[in-house]
Amino acid sequence: DAKTTQPNSMESNEEEPVHLPCNHSTISGTDYIHWYRQLPSQGPEYVIHGLTSNVNNRMASLAIAEDRKSSTLILHRATLRDAAVYYCILLNFGNEKLTFGTGTRLTIIP
Amino acid sequence: DTGVSQNPRHKITKRGQNVTFRCDPISEHNRLYWYRQTLGQGPEFLTYFQNEAQLEKSRLLSDRFSAERPKGSFSTLEIQRTEQGDSAMYLCASSRKQGGNTEAFFGQGTRLTVV
Repeated sequence: DAKTTQPNSMESNEEEPVHLPCNHSTISGTDYIHWYRQLPSQGPEYVIHGLTSNVNNRMASLAIAEDRKSSTLILHRATLRDAAVYYCILLNFGNEKLTFGTGTRLTIIP
Repeated sequence: DTGVSQNPRHKITKRGQNVTFRCDPISEHNRLYWYRQTLGQGPEFLTYFQNEAQLEKSRLLSDRFSAERPKGSFSTLEIQRTEQGDSAMYLCASSRKQGGNTEAFFGQGTRLTVV
């Protein structure tokens, strides 16, 4: 399975943008880049996913490097409710189970 | 779309007892996944179903664990002869289609405590 590398933890001030990095240097051409987050005492929640182009939705933006070996999840204006563990995961047709690492624990400072 | 439902939310059992958890996926989702999560760790994959067929089982799924999805709708996860090491959050997820271009929806989990 292609692996991802994320920082263990990050902090950000409330109402400021947050950029969460993920490295996936062994990504294959058919791997989709997925982001999930897990709030305290809850199941993981889908955030966004993409293949090659940058993606935007109501929750976040996903910026994918041109060589696809890294990506960045962007929360445009962090709130206290965004404090969670964020997981970057690769998925493709032959590997269809989400394989979670330890993720990045995001702390939002009021 | 009422989301993925898991029951019970909490279960306390004595070591050696059998327990069964239920997962109701989002209707028409043909993929269903089970995960286990211990404190401070990310969820660990246990098994998944495509409709009623169990397609993959993790080596974490010892012979004391069994999962079923008899009619391709709800699923059950049974743990026989529970051990204290089985104490964890058990998570269920479902998704609509195959491949990487899909999102999974998770339930709130069943927290198992073995005493």
